[in-house]
Amino acid sequence: KNEVEQSPQNLTAQEGEFITINCSYSVGISALHWLQQHPGGGIVSLFMLSSGKKKHGRLIATINIQEKHSSLHITASHPRDSAVYICAEYSGGGADGLTFGKGTHLIIQP
Amino acid sequence: DAGITQSPRYKITETGRQVTLMCHQTWSHSYMFWYRQDLGHGLRLIYYSAAADITDKGEVPDGYVVSRSKTENFPLTLESATRSQTSVYFCASTRSYNEQFFGPGTRLTVL
Repeated sequence: KNEVEQSPQNLTAQEGEFITINCSYSVGISALHWLQQHPGGGIVSLFMLSSGKKKHGRLIATINIQEKHSSLHITASHPRDSAVYICAEYSGGGADGLTFGKGTHLIIQP
Repeated sequence: DAGITQSPRYKITETGRQVTLMCHQTWSHSYMFWYRQDLGHGLRLIYYSAAADITDKGEVPDGYVVSRSKTENFPLTLESATRSQTSVYFCASTRSYNEQFFGPGTRLTVL
């Protein structure tokens, strides 16, 4: 079973700062997902990527397959970015391959 | 309403009682999932379904039963609830192994 590790577990930053959240996994994957969970509890999918880089607004996700590592970056962070960010990987072979990290709790202070 | 819904949103029950959590999606997605989310564990897969009448166990299936007689519905039943099943339960769906769409969650407390 793949292990997914996220760091940091908790992150507090000031508005406007550049944020980086890291995700590493132990076994080769088919795809990696980044999810966002707001304080109200709802979970939203931000990105799914299997190589390279994706960008959506102020959010950027990158993945390095050789190093088994992905990062989520937030540029010009804002208090509304405060949420739990979760990475999840799919190794293939059916739903058994879905493994989630424990999440990074991000707080952006005004 | 289009999307994925869960009911009830909150449930308090007693040990030993049977509880069913409902999940309904309007996209006709083939794949549906049930997860539980607990502090210190993150999201863990309970059961999944690849299509109507096809279900399989995930990481933590003990104490749970699922069925999928229709593509749009995927109920999760706790046959005899235990305190360890106190958790937040999320249903999700996807057309294939791409972006997953999550329901709003059901917060279950077992006394």
